[in-house]
Amino acid sequence: AQSVAQPEDQVNVAEGNPLTVKCTYSVSGNPYLFWYVQYPNRGLQVLLKYITGDNLVKGSYGFEAEFNKSQTSFHLKKPSALVSDSALYFCAVRDMGSTGRRALTFGSGTRLQVQP
Amino acid sequence: DADVTQTPRNRITKTGKRIMLECSQTKGHDRMYWYRQDPGLGLRLIYYSFDVKDINKGEISDGYSVSRQAQAKFSLSLESAIPNQTALYFCATSDSGGTYEQYFGPGTRLTVT
Repeated sequence: AQSVAQPEDQVNVAEGNPLTVKCTYSVSGNPYLFWYVQYPNRGLQVLLKYITGDNLVKGSYGFEAEFNKSQTSFHLKKPSALVSDSALYFCAVRDMGSTGRRALTFGSGTRLQVQP
Repeated sequence: DADVTQTPRNRITKTGKRIMLECSQTKGHDRMYWYRQDPGLGLRLIYYSFDVKDINKGEISDGYSVSRQAQAKFSLSLESAIPNQTALYFCATSDSGGTYEQYFGPGTRLTVT
């Protein structure tokens, strides 16, 4: 089975401060991991993804995430938040070793609010 | 033009009515998905199709049906709509090889009164 948890419904941060949005996952094998962002009245778009290789993944708009296998985490980070980063963020996982027909599993989402 | 399109974008319907949501894609992907989004519950998978003849139930398929008319088209039907099906519905696609990254449409906001 595969699952993903986003423990925070909302994260508030002041513009210019660093931000972290947390994600932990559970898979039986190795994971494919994704962060998606949803801006108001829009569909989801991928920010970054971990497939294999370097544990630090760099994505769009200055975001990055660190894959930590021992802690089964894939937290999203940005050194300096912008008001325009305010959106809904979803973590998603797929068990790389899984056979059969399975889609991505998404977390419940974290709303990021960046105050000016 | 958008790669994944959904029609309608907004719909208000009454309890008991049949309604169809349509999804089309120009990405050439063979896999397509339907999700619903509710506040605090994230995205939940309704149905997915890995090929025109390969359709699978997701975690919340009760009350829904789907049709994969062609590789590029995947429709979601509510046979008899009920108020708790009020939600935002997303279609997504992915390629069969590689990373399972999904590409989403803009969503359909459905309200059942």
